[in-house]
Order: sequence, then structure tokens, then C-alpha cells
Amino acid sequence: AQSVAQPEDQVNVAEGNPLTVKCTYSVSGNPYLFWYVQYPNRGLQFLLKYITGDNLVKGSYGFEAEFNKSQTSFHLKKPSALVSDSALYFCAVRGTNSGNTPLVFGKGTRLSVIA
Amino acid sequence: EAGVTQFPSHSVIEKGQTVTLRCDPISGHDNLYWYRRVMGKEIKFLLHFVKESKQDESGMPNNRFLAERTGGTYSTLKVQPAELEDSGVYFCASSQLDGTNTEAFFGQGTRLTVV
Repeated sequence: AQSVAQPEDQVNVAEGNPLTVKCTYSVSGNPYLFWYVQYPNRGLQFLLKYITGDNLVKGSYGFEAEFNKSQTSFHLKKPSALVSDSALYFCAVRGTNSGNTPLVFGKGTRLSVIA
Repeated sequence: EAGVTQFPSHSVIEKGQTVTLRCDPISGHDNLYWYRRVMGKEIKFLLHFVKESKQDESGMPNNRFLAERTGGTYSTLKVQPAELEDSGVYFCASSQLDGTNTEAFFGQGTRLTVV
């Protein structure tokens, strides 16, 4: 069975500092990994994905994520946080042999960037 | 291009009443998914349509939930009769067919409160 763990319910970071939101996964086969963000009163927005190739994936709004197969992790990072990055972040996974099966999500991590 | 739209954005109903949620996917997207997030928990899969057919309904909680997608365009999710534990945010997402590595696009969600 596929699963995603986001070990932190809340991450607080000062504006301008680097941020990391953690995600680990479990899936049969090679994973397809995704990060989504939910701003207040908005739907989920796609940030970035890892399919294959370079382990470091760059996405929207200056975010990036690093795929680490040995640690089964896909942590989300940003070199310099902005107050506007404050939102709810979801990691999701889909197995390669899953065809069009749905994404499996983590429970989300609330990021708070303090000015 | 219009994104995924959901209606209503909020709904407050009494226990025992019926509610119908609607989702309009992105035009041309054959995959349509329903998810639900209960406060503080994971976003959980409910149901997957490919065009008008139910591909996977393993996540539907019970027979009080009925989803339809007549004509393979918009979809409705009816809850009848609603119970307190049905409260949460219901998300709809759509994606292109044969998109194992394609991200799903989400609507803004419908916040359902059963009192």
C-alpha cells in the first residue's frame, strides 16, 4: 500500500531564512512524487513533481524538492522564505505501476513565515 | 482556460438532510477524482471517474454517498442523509487520461459542515 508521512504538523521560520518541509513515502515500484500548496480560502495548487531524472526538482515560487531514494524522502525546500509562503503544504505520491490511480496524500504541514 | 470549479464553496446543513456537491473539471480532462479532508487529517481519496465510468470507488465511506458523472463532463457527489462525521472539505480534481506522471488540478473545495 502507498503512504505518505509528513512528520511535522507545523513549521515556523523567520522571513529570509531557508525553509524545509519534510516528506517521506512508501510505494511499490518507483514513485511519482508531488507537492501541493493550499493558501487560505483557496484550492490546492500544484508546486512541483518528481518523475525521473535529476533528483533536485525546481518548481513554482522558488520552491524546490530533493528526491532521495535511499531515504524514501522528498523534502520541500526554499532558500529564503517569504511571509507570503505561509500556507498548508501537502506531499503526495503515486506508484509507477498504478496507471491512472489517484494520489495518496500526507496530512499536511502548516508553514508559518514570521516577518 | 478555466480551472476546476466546485459549487457551493460552503454548505451548512443539519444532520439527516441531503446535500449535493458539484464539480466541473477542466475541459478535456477525462480523469475526475473526489477527495475529502477532515480537519487536521490527510486528504483521502473517495472516488475516481474515467469519463462517465467509475474506475475506483474504494474510498467511498458508505452507501450514503453517491457520485455521478453523466455524460462524462461535470460530476455530482450527493450525501444522503448527512451525518456529523461527514463534515470536512471535499475536493475535486481532474487530469488528462493516461497521465501517470501528470499532475492533477484541484478545485477550491467545498466546505461541508453538518450540525
